[in-house]
Amino acid sequence: EVQLLDSGGGLVQPGGSLRLSCAASGFPFSNYAMIWVRQAPGKGLEWVSVISGSGGGTNYADSVKGRFTISRDNSKNTLYLQMNSLRAEDTAVYYCARSLAVAQGAVDSWGQGTLVTVSS
Amino acid sequence: DIQLTQSPSFLSASVGDRVTITCRASQGISSYLAWYQQKPGKAPKLLIYAASTLQSGVPSRFSGSGSGTEFTLTISSLQPEDFATYYCQQLNTYPRTFGQGTKVEIK
Repeated sequence: EVQLLDSGGGLVQPGGSLRLSCAASGFPFSNYAMIWVRQAPGKGLEWVSVISGSGGGTNYADSVKGRFTISRDNSKNTLYLQMNSLRAEDTAVYYCARSLAVAQGAVDSWGQGTLVTVSS
Repeated sequence: DIQLTQSPSFLSASVGDRVTITCRASQGISSYLAWYQQKPGKAPKLLIYAASTLQSGVPSRFSGSGSGTEFTLTISSLQPEDFATYYCQQLNTYPRTFGQGTKVEIK
């Protein structure tokens, strides 16, 4: 069974940093691109970032480019999101998710989400 | 970036109704579109990808169609468990944008 366990969220002041983690199990982690999607309270879904299975390719939403860094450790089956220079508008539930290549990259599995609150 | 506009944003319907949600892309995306269902407090669930391919385990009352810039998600006979928010997502280019969502509520 595919399992994605998000962690690392919490309360951080504007301008601060936070690192999210996502522990994956139940599938060959290095074979899959992984993504982060966020959802602000009461709002819709926002695609944040993607990383290829090898870790050699990444892409970011304009809203986080230059501030967030996606990475992965395939030896630990873990995905990361380093978030720097955080702003109030980054407040959201962050989901890690698996991208399914045979489904054009659609997301077929999601973590439970971890809440990041940026506030003074 | 490619913008996706869903209509309507809110829909009130009864059990057994046929429901159609539209997703329009700001530029052509061929058939690179997925649909998701999200219930309150839960992660989204993949329903359809490649505009019309039903994800494994999804009931056949869900169907998708379209290509280019206009797409539809149809629920042939709305069931109580279908009351949720639905999102489209384009998979053609980065960033992989989502529509703003369509909330389906009980009439």
